[in-house]
Amino acid sequence: EDQVTQSPEALRLQEGESSSLNCSYTVSGLRGLFWYRQDPGKGPEFLFTLYSAGEEKEKERLKATLTKKESFLHITAPKPEDSATYLCAVQEAGNTPLVFGKGTRLSVIA
Amino acid sequence: DGGITQSPKYLFRKEGQNVTLSCEQNLNHDAMYWYRQDPGQGLRLIYYSQIVNDFQKGDIAEGYSVSREKKESFPLTVTSAQKNPTAFYLCATHNPGHSDEQYFGPGTRLTVT
Repeated sequence: EDQVTQSPEALRLQEGESSSLNCSYTVSGLRGLFWYRQDPGKGPEFLFTLYSAGEEKEKERLKATLTKKESFLHITAPKPEDSATYLCAVQEAGNTPLVFGKGTRLSVIA
Repeated sequence: DGGITQSPKYLFRKEGQNVTLSCEQNLNHDAMYWYRQDPGQGLRLIYYSQIVNDFQKGDIAEGYSVSREKKESFPLTVTSAQKNPTAFYLCATHNPGHSDEQYFGPGTRLTVT
C-alpha cells in the first residue's frame, strides 16, 4: 500500500478555473508534509512545508492546507505558467527520508 | 537548483558498462540524496548520506553504489547489475537542524541501450 497517494493523476483546467489537488497519506506520525513543483526535464522546486493539522501556507495563486489525513493544494485563477507536475512528500517522525507521491500533472489552457 | 550541480544533463551508455553520475553542492548541507524518477512512478530513493563518510541504502539500492568522501560531493555509480538503468536521476541536499525541506539539482537523464 502506498504511503502517499496523489489525486487526480492529471488535471486540465481553463485559465482562471480554480481547483484543488489532493495528497492523502497513511504514515503514523507525521513530521512534515512537503509540496514541490516540477517542470518537464527539471528538478523539483520546493513550494511549502506543513507540520500540523489546520496549518495553511500561501504563495501567489497557490495555497496549501493540511488535515490529519490529507493535504490540499488549492490553485486560484490559474495561468498557463502554472502548468507543471505537483509532487507531495511526507516525512515520518524522526530523521527519516521523504516518501513521495506520484504527482499530479496540471495543464492550464489559455 | 541553485547551488546544486549535476553533470552531465544527458548521458548515453551501452548495456554492461558502469557509469558515474556527478552531484556537487556549495550549500554546505550535510545531507545528500539520490533519487530515480520513471514516468508514472514518482521519486524513489536510491541512497542517502547524512554526513561525510557515511551513507545508507534507500528503497532501490540494488545495482547502484555511492561514496561520500567530501561534504560537497556525492557521486552515484550505476553498475551493470542494475537491470533497468534508463531513467531520470535527481540529486538533493538537506540542511538538518536548519530546515526540513530538500533542494534538488537539475537532474541527469541516463539512457542505456
